[in-house]
Amino acid sequence: SQTIHQWPATLVQPVGSPLSLECTVEGTSNPNLYWYRQAAGRGLQLLFYSVGIGQISSEVPQNLSASRPQDRQFILSSKKLLLSDSGFYLCAFPGASNYGYTFGSGTRLTVV
Amino acid sequence: SQKIEQNSEALNIQEGKTATLTCNYTNYSPAYLQWYRQDPGRGPVFLLLIRENEKEKRKERLKVTFDTTLKQSLFHITASQPADSATYLCALGDSNYQLIWGAGTKLIIKP
Repeated sequence: SQTIHQWPATLVQPVGSPLSLECTVEGTSNPNLYWYRQAAGRGLQLLFYSVGIGQISSEVPQNLSASRPQDRQFILSSKKLLLSDSGFYLCAFPGASNYGYTFGSGTRLTVV
Repeated sequence: SQKIEQNSEALNIQEGKTATLTCNYTNYSPAYLQWYRQDPGRGPVFLLLIRENEKEKRKERLKVTFDTTLKQSLFHITASQPADSATYLCALGDSNYQLIWGAGTKLIIKP
């Protein structure tokens, strides 16, 4: 079965510190992968998506970057966090044509 | 610009009744629409997908309708239970698997 792992679940980081969130998938090969951010009371905002190793598309100019070093690994990074980077970060991949996205359990990031 | 709207106020429903949630959109012609359930602190979980050429889709106690003329989808939960309490998100998709998301409606089922 297709599964997705995301960690850590919770993270509190000071302003200006670096960030690395990791997402790995199992049970599928060469999936499209997505990083979303969800602010309270807002819809999911697409940050990055990747159609393959080393291929990253950015949807929103920001303080974050993404990388896909392996087929089933997607990493979200920042060199220096801002207060506005706080939020709930979700990794996802799309299922077959009649199935929706499968999401990771999310990372709650609080920048202090 | 594309816009998708869900009722931002929480919906309170008595257990056993039918809960109906609304998703409206503008400036978009989606190929399909999806509904998800999200519990606090968790990622969304896919429930149903309905395509632009489908009027209605059912799954157990769930029913989704899709009216491309009104640009609206309705999501129904029949015989609602307290365990159905969650936030429900709708998302519109195109043929490239790109989705735009509503902010979600919080559903509270009272015993």
